[in-house]
Amino acid sequence: QLQLQESGPGLVKPSETLSLTCTVSGGSISSSSYHWGWVRQPPGKGLEWLATIHYSGTTYYNPSLKSRVIISMDTAKDQFSLKLSSVTSADTAVYYCARHFDHRFDPWGQGKLVTVSS
Amino acid sequence: QTVVTQEPSFAVSPGGTVTLTCGLSSGSVSTTNYPSWFQQTPGQTPRTLIYTTNTRSSGVPDRFSGSILGNKAALTITGAQADDESDYYCFLYLGSGVWVFGGGTKVTVL
Repeated sequence: QLQLQESGPGLVKPSETLSLTCTVSGGSISSSSYHWGWVRQPPGKGLEWLATIHYSGTTYYNPSLKSRVIISMDTAKDQFSLKLSSVTSADTAVYYCARHFDHRFDPWGQGKLVTVSS
Repeated sequence: QTVVTQEPSFAVSPGGTVTLTCGLSSGSVSTTNYPSWFQQTPGQTPRTLIYTTNTRSSGVPDRFSGSILGNKAALTITGAQADDESDYYCFLYLGSGVWVFGGGTKVTVL
């Protein structure tokens, strides 16, 4: 059974870079059939798609965040990562990683709350 | 910037039917936007209900159905149950490798 788990710091200072990693188990991240993505949800608010990557290296970004986001993957470790630079309090959210295929996300990781605060 | 629009809230009686919609601030929603629908109860991870307009995800009860109604994507809950009380998000493909979520609809069963 495919499972995803987010990891990384739960507290980031303003203006610094948020870095999260998603570890995939029960399957390979290198499958050509699937993409892998990040979604976030600020407290009490809705979902926001951030970025998606295919093992071929093709990346897709939310245009509103494109200048600050980098998604990458390490196929040897079955991991993919998110970096969000110049963070502010508006970037405080639960960050989810998920397999992205057929225009849906399934399964999802459990989510990682990241708070931006000094 | 294109905005995906959803009703903020809906109330439905147990056993009743409710249709949630998902539109675009500029233009119509069609099957080429590959509409998907997610259900999220408070404190839980989102769950895929419907993808590519009308395909039910594994394990999803058949009281949930997806369609295109006019110029919008739609999610219909037929025979609503108490545990359908959740937030529902639509998700659209805008093309050129860009996807966007709607703002979500809070459904209350009462």
